[in-house]
Amino acid sequence: KAGVTQTPRYLIKTRGQQVTLSCSPISGHRSVSWYQQTPGQGLQFLFEYFSETQRNKGNFPGRFSGRQFSNSRSEMNVSTLELGDSALYLCASSTRIGSYEQYFGPGTRLTVT
Amino acid sequence: AQSVAQPEDQVNVAEGNPLTVKCTYSVSGNPYLFWYVQYPNRGLQFLLKYITGDNLVKGSYGFEAEFNKSQTSFHLKKPSALVSDSALYFCAVRDPFKAAGNKLTFGGGTRVLVKP
Repeated sequence: KAGVTQTPRYLIKTRGQQVTLSCSPISGHRSVSWYQQTPGQGLQFLFEYFSETQRNKGNFPGRFSGRQFSNSRSEMNVSTLELGDSALYLCASSTRIGSYEQYFGPGTRLTVT
Repeated sequence: AQSVAQPEDQVNVAEGNPLTVKCTYSVSGNPYLFWYVQYPNRGLQFLLKYITGDNLVKGSYGFEAEFNKSQTSFHLKKPSALVSDSALYFCAVRDPFKAAGNKLTFGGGTRVLVKP
């Protein structure tokens, strides 16, 4: 079974631009969560989607948004990029809400200049 | 609010020696606890979890962890470390209530360096 895939793997954007990151969960998994990893703040939860609905949201500004499609693929969008948005964005998939195990993708490394 | 602390930023150990990575948590109710490992330029790999039952949990790659409710700790251990165990290790906690979903709260991470 293929693992969680994230595209693109690397991205360089300029401050003020917007960016869209994509995550394809493991086949059959319906829950997708997003995390931001930075050296200063560590790993922080962004949001979680299940059955195309946002089920949980972390403490991030409204510039961060996401969505999930009917095939469980998920995208997250960051508008008006700031230098501090430079991070590794990780996606995790699981079969359902309340599942004990989550499987992480390799991440998208976003650099904002 | 739940939280996780990993008191050591880095742990150095000689190959073949026991490895311990410390984790303490703060959560109301009975926690779900996890350990993940991250290699350079990679995502997180699941090592093991504690949900309920036996306090000693065995996981992947020879790792185990001991849940201690009185000390609110969940330390990761490996009897004999390998150079290939050098990586970044994260402890995480999840609220067991369904409304919390699958959200994980992570510790700050501990870098493990195993020297030959």
